[in-house]
Amino acid sequence: QSALTQPASVSGSPGQSITISCTGTNSDVGGHHYVSWYQQHPGKAPKLMIYEVSNRPSGVPDRFSGSRSGNTASLTISGLQVEDEANYYCSSYRSSNLVFGGGTKVTVL
Amino acid sequence: QVRLMESGGGVVQPGRSLRLSCAASGFTFRTYAMHWVRQSPGKGLQWVAVISNDGTNKYHADSVKGRFTISRDNSKNTLYLQMNSLRAEDTAVYYCAKDLYSSDWYSWSSDYWGQGTLVTVSS
Repeated sequence: QSALTQPASVSGSPGQSITISCTGTNSDVGGHHYVSWYQQHPGKAPKLMIYEVSNRPSGVPDRFSGSRSGNTASLTISGLQVEDEANYYCSSYRSSNLVFGGGTKVTVL
Repeated sequence: QVRLMESGGGVVQPGRSLRLSCAASGFTFRTYAMHWVRQSPGKGLQWVAVISNDGTNKYHADSVKGRFTISRDNSKNTLYLQMNSLRAEDTAVYYCAKDLYSSDWYSWSSDYWGQGTLVTVSS
């Protein structure tokens, strides 16, 4: 069982917006700003999409955004595109460790 | 450009040891913390360990503590993972990943990852 809870799957049509949740505790997601999101296509290495809750690395499209409310972080993809179909993982610092969510498969219908 | 290349994976029997290496290039290796993250076949990501930029500070996940050791050689731009007493549940693709910030501490985010090396623990 993963330390952080994510929905197993989320789907949407091209152009729609979807949101992936990541629920932890006040010892991890809710306790500091070290929350990140990664995109992983099958057979590829993960790619950093969001760091420190809501910051986007250079090169990541601005349709990807991150937020947090209490112990739940969220990744929103606005204007969903076919190439966004992938697995998404959240991560958070917790007591000198890094914990990941179980991953969410995003399907573009 | 930033490049991370893992090596050293393979098939190993339970209880045996293996050392993974990660050769880094394209950035000032000695100024960045580095991580190992693994992924069992068909499963999610699991953090393994982190080491500070100068190698003096390191943390390991509870699942590998006492069996795995992260280290680095800044003169060779290389990160290592010594894995002892291997178990079937250690079977995974092992990724090395660069910490986001050039800092004496950790950002707990990784902006560059290698392509991974597969470790299979089986008799």
